Amino acid sequence: EAGVAQSPRYKIIEKRQSVAFWCNPISGHATLYWYQQILGQGPKLLIQFQNNGVVDDSQLPKDRFSAERLKGVDSTLKIQPAKLEDSAVYLCASSPYWAPYEQYFGPGTRLTVT
Amino acid sequence: AQRVTQPEKLLSVFKGAPVELKCNYSYSGSPELFWYVQYSRQRLQLLLRHISRESIKGFTADLNKGETSFHLKKPFAQEEDSAMYYCALSNYGQNFVFGPGTRLSVLP
Repeated sequence: EAGVAQSPRYKIIEKRQSVAFWCNPISGHATLYWYQQILGQGPKLLIQFQNNGVVDDSQLPKDRFSAERLKGVDSTLKIQPAKLEDSAVYLCASSPYWAPYEQYFGPGTRLTVT
Repeated sequence: AQRVTQPEKLLSVFKGAPVELKCNYSYSGSPELFWYVQYSRQRLQLLLRHISRESIKGFTADLNKGETSFHLKKPFAQEEDSAMYYCALSNYGQNFVFGPGTRLSVLP
């Protein structure tokens, strides 16, 4: 089966600019996650969707980050405006609803904010 | 607050030696515990979870609720085990928290 797809793979922007990341989960997976992984740290959950509803967004900085999952399939994560500390790898993962722990991760998008 | 700690950033062992990657957690309640692994140039993937009590690729992990630990063990390390290992916990499939990771290097 095809894996989780993410684009772009790399992005360099200046602070205060906006950026958007796209994720296409594995077909049929109801649960979708966005993680932020800063260099030297483990992944930090930003938001979890079940179909197109938000299950957990407690660690999403809502003043600048937003995410949506229209039609319960693809998802986009946006940062507006970006700060230097947003430099990180943004990982998307998906899992079947009956096994949320069995997360399949995408390759990630490496964001550099200058 | 939920937290996962992995005290070693880097662990180096020789091929054939036993290996133990440490994981401690703080959580009010009974979380689910997992180990995820990322091999070089590959994606992060689930290795094992405490509920299944399986041995995956020779690795086992025992949940010790008294010590709030979930250490990953393998009796004889192989070079292909070299990777980044992350301990993680969740609350019934939500609120996933990952540790900072331990890089395991198995030397020939």
